[in-house]
Amino acid sequence: SSELTQDPAVSVALGQTVTITCQGDSLRAYSANWYQKKPGQAPIVVIFGKNNRPSGIPDRFSGSSSGNPASLTITGAQAEDEADYYCTSRDYNANPLFGGGTKLTVL
Amino acid sequence: QITLKESGPTLVKPTQTLTLTCSFSGFSLTTSGVGVGWIRQPPGKALEWLALLYWDDDKRYNPSLKSRLTITKDTSKSQVVLTMTNMDPLDTATYYCGHKPFIRGAMLFDPWGQGTQVTVSS
Repeated sequence: SSELTQDPAVSVALGQTVTITCQGDSLRAYSANWYQKKPGQAPIVVIFGKNNRPSGIPDRFSGSSSGNPASLTITGAQAEDEADYYCTSRDYNANPLFGGGTKLTVL
Repeated sequence: QITLKESGPTLVKPTQTLTLTCSFSGFSLTTSGVGVGWIRQPPGKALEWLALLYWDDDKRYNPSLKSRLTITKDTSKSQVVLTMTNMDPLDTATYYCGHKPFIRGAMLFDPWGQGTQVTVSS
């Protein structure tokens, strides 16, 4: 199917490690990317392709973006990491796919 | 530095057609592999991809909205225009445009514009 499925919400204690997952059939063939979305701000890429981190993204963000499910891990979560996280990829028709998003709460 | 900015009406009436413009700088839509996409986020809901236009005029649409969407480009003005017909209150959302770089193996938009809020109400 042409869908990406994420858990709606996840929480993590400050300084601890959290993993957010993304499931979808197309992930068996195509890698996932991960966006961070904060209220009132545009999404930014935190992980793309095979665990690539754009410049400026802290190295506490890492991804396992090949295979199903794909995952985003934050090692040592900080208060500023509280946000919605979206996985994206493509379908077999080369169209973009977006997951439903995961709301991360840092306790 | 790549920047994008969305513009258009903030309020449209039901059944009207919405026209949004994405004005960009720092890249050219004549560069092989590059594209510009539109994505929206209704209040309290998830991001939803709408349309994508590539450098070679290849156009892709979200299948669930395809009949209502048209995406075009004006290369000379560095603009991409999205039209959405028959607007409904459920189309109330923040609309974003995003640059799609050519990165082998990665379908992503980076960066995005700041977004423009569109409310559909009579």
